[in-house]
Amino acid sequence: GAGVSQTPSNKVTEKGKYVELRCDPISGHTALYWYRQSLGQGPEFLIYFQGTGAADDSGLPNDRFFAVRPEGSVSTLKIQRTERGDSAVYLCASSLRAGGQGNGYTFGSGTRLTVV
Amino acid sequence: GQQLNQSPQSMFIQEGEDVSMNCTSSSIFNTWLWYKQDPGEGPVLLIALYKAGELTSNGRLTAQFGITRKDSFLNISASIPSDVGIYFCAGSPLGRFGAGTRLTVKP
Repeated sequence: GAGVSQTPSNKVTEKGKYVELRCDPISGHTALYWYRQSLGQGPEFLIYFQGTGAADDSGLPNDRFFAVRPEGSVSTLKIQRTERGDSAVYLCASSLRAGGQGNGYTFGSGTRLTVV
Repeated sequence: GQQLNQSPQSMFIQEGEDVSMNCTSSSIFNTWLWYKQDPGEGPVLLIALYKAGELTSNGRLTAQFGITRKDSFLNISASIPSDVGIYFCAGSPLGRFGAGTRLTVKP
């Protein structure tokens, strides 16, 4: 597609529930990144995919967070047993090549997750 | 947590003034990127720097990739009201972002 698409744009869920957030990167971009952004903060790195594999998942806060990119395109961030502290905007970005080469990272508009 | 130190945290300036913000890191980066974020949107790329010492301009924006590869600055000349927003630096290949500089421009 023309840009990075994230769905849903907003998600409200109850504490303890499971959620999935979807990212559709720019066609042909091999690298895909997930970030979490809290109010007043910069994007916090979660996980980076190069193709289908997670090249760096060091930013995932705990084992309730998991992400997949089975065909090297669309990615899903999955959060189990959600907690109120998981409330944030989850941003996805893609880049033509690893490391933001080829004109940096292009971001989607994010999914605002609210855990009540 | 963040690996980049971005300063200042916020700036309040008069329209027409020049602005300077910078980023430092304990890690070496191959690429420095500067982004602007408006409310409710994802960050948008302003300038990408790929070589140590590189100085790049994009309209009223100028950014430099430090010689040590551990720092970068962004200058905005002759600020206008639409420059309002949060500016982030990012280092690659780690894909890490600074905490941002919130810019307010008074007409």
